[in-house]
Amino acid sequence: QKEVEQNSGPLSVPEGAIASLNCTYSDRGSQSFFWYRQYSGKSPELIMFIYSNGDKEDGRFTAQLNKASQYVSLLIRDSQPSDSATYLCAVSRAGFQKLVFGTGTRLLVSP
Amino acid sequence: DGGITQSPKYLFRKEGQNVTLSCEQNLNHDAMYWYRQDPGQGLRLIYYSQIVNDFQKGDIAEGYSVSREKKESFPLTVTSAQKNPTAFYLCASSLSGGASTDTQYFGPGTRLTVL
Repeated sequence: QKEVEQNSGPLSVPEGAIASLNCTYSDRGSQSFFWYRQYSGKSPELIMFIYSNGDKEDGRFTAQLNKASQYVSLLIRDSQPSDSATYLCAVSRAGFQKLVFGTGTRLLVSP
Repeated sequence: DGGITQSPKYLFRKEGQNVTLSCEQNLNHDAMYWYRQDPGQGLRLIYYSQIVNDFQKGDIAEGYSVSREKKESFPLTVTSAQKNPTAFYLCASSLSGGASTDTQYFGPGTRLTVL
């Protein structure tokens, strides 16, 4: 079992729809959860992070964390073609910020 | 203009050669990291450093070496012992590296190809 698992996709949504990206993790000691966006050929850029159970909203993005079920998700409202990218989920344990990355989910937003 | 710079953007290496990838940051971050990304795969940690003159191996350190002589610089050498070095190399930094809440920021990356 991989430490951090994501569906590779592609996840296809029409412009204006809500895109839902999911990530599960195996280590119950994980404490911090990060979502990065990576355009083809570019480096990852941080979208948002979440530490506590529940929802965290930042503009069109909402991160949801459920530690009991060991999953974290990212919702993108009003999806735009410019959101088309690979979304990486990363998880870290307490004590040191060593990130474990999933392989990413490719999102395609069609006009 | 604060950020992380990596050079070169593209690098070609002949088999048997050592090459050094540069990473510089002016964010005043204590911690720096090197990752490798292969097509369709997640990022894998090569080395990390939480403080000047100290660094630790990550998950795939074999065939690589680093130094941390200055806070702002963390060069990575890909040695001839690395059997499959063709990959996208990413440098990152974070404020302290001492807390799980510390956020890592990435440089633009170096794409290394072995000829």
